[in-house]
Amino acid sequence: GAVVSQHPSWVICKSGTSVKIECRSLDFQATTMFWYRQFPKQSLMLMATSNEGSKATYEQGVEKDKFLINHASLTLSTLTVTSAHPEDSSFYICSARDTSVDTGELFFGEGSRLTVL
Amino acid sequence: GQNIDQPTEMTATEGAIVQINCTYQTSGFNGLFWYQQHAGEAPTFLSYNVLDGLEEKGRFSSFLSRSKGYSYLLLKELQMKDSASYLCAALDSNYQLIWGAGTKLIIKP
Repeated sequence: GAVVSQHPSWVICKSGTSVKIECRSLDFQATTMFWYRQFPKQSLMLMATSNEGSKATYEQGVEKDKFLINHASLTLSTLTVTSAHPEDSSFYICSARDTSVDTGELFFGEGSRLTVL
Repeated sequence: GQNIDQPTEMTATEGAIVQINCTYQTSGFNGLFWYQQHAGEAPTFLSYNVLDGLEEKGRFSSFLSRSKGYSYLLLKELQMKDSASYLCAALDSNYQLIWGAGTKLIIKP
């Protein structure tokens, strides 16, 4: 199946700093990628839909100025958590759909665990 | 509103069979997914149903009834490594995935 790679897997940062997470589709092109956040023992929550070459679509309650999304190419989307605070500590996961095949399957990155001190 | 319901937790014995149910209410419907997620890891794809009926894939099978808004995931010959959360998700008319909260499956020896 298609591969989505996410980097970094783990990141620890100080409160007030910014952190960038990369999501790459390695063997397919993805015009759309999805960013999720998952708190412990909770389900995935969609934060935003990243669209190549245009602005991301954010879910209600997600601050677009805090969670900056850039989808500059068909294989790369980045999520930047700006001025991170301890409450932003979470597991961030990206996913993409290979639209060249009609399975509808979503392929997930490995996830990035963010800890803000 | 859109909603996915699945049990919070289930317990089963190694070697046995377990069925995890999921009911959904969505604006339009373009299919239902089951994903497996081990603690601290990203979800992995298990199945996708868009037509009524049973899809079998090794020890795992998934069933869909569109008229009832109902699906189940059937796991046979349970192994300890099957201990994980199982996420049900429905694709709505806008091709947005609506996620259930997940069912934590505990396998006992």
